[in-house]
Amino acid sequence: GAGVSQSPSNKVTEKGKDVELRCDPISGHTALYWYRQSLGQGLEFLIYFQGNSAPDKSGLPSDRFSAERTGGSVSTLTIQRTQQEDSAVYLCASQIRGGYSEQYFGPGTRLTVT
Amino acid sequence: KQEVTQIPAALSVPEGENLVLNCSFTDSAIYNLQWFRQDPGKGLTSLLLIQSSQREQTSGRLNASLDKSSGRSTLYIAASQPGDSATYLCAVEDPGANSKLTFGKGITLSVRP
Repeated sequence: GAGVSQSPSNKVTEKGKDVELRCDPISGHTALYWYRQSLGQGLEFLIYFQGNSAPDKSGLPSDRFSAERTGGSVSTLTIQRTQQEDSAVYLCASQIRGGYSEQYFGPGTRLTVT
Repeated sequence: KQEVTQIPAALSVPEGENLVLNCSFTDSAIYNLQWFRQDPGKGLTSLLLIQSSQREQTSGRLNASLDKSSGRSTLYIAASQPGDSATYLCAVEDPGANSKLTFGKGITLSVRP
């Protein structure tokens, strides 16, 4: 079956611009995560959606970052007024339910802020 | 705060060698541990997941073990092949409201033909 998909695969933007990154989880998976992978920082958690519950935003690095999940499926991560330190690979993962099972990752979006 | 460590950061072995990749974590109260593979420029591929009640999991030439009390896991790769060259990451799922994964920084494996 189809895995997690993300778009775009690459995004180059100028400092100060807003960007939107999209994630399509595996159908039927109720949990969705965003992570960021930076050189030297490894993978870090950003935000978690589980069903209709309020998202856990504890990993978002600043208020320039926000995310939403529409209809319990597609999610969009928005970064406003991008900074060079936002350059990273943004990975989305889905899970059949929250906790105890495998997380399946998408191919990621490589964001470069110039 | 959970911390996951993978040492060494890089490893180079000749083809055919059996090898062990190590992972350690500071808080033993985990739900599960997952091993991933990442190829350059790609996302993460799940290799094995070990629940906290399990000691090991096997898939083909891969065997992962978990010792929760000592905060350690190993990924054993038998008869390594050049196609195994990739970065291997371990991650633990902690008890809590969000079930997020805490990752190590990975071990970059190179298998020489």
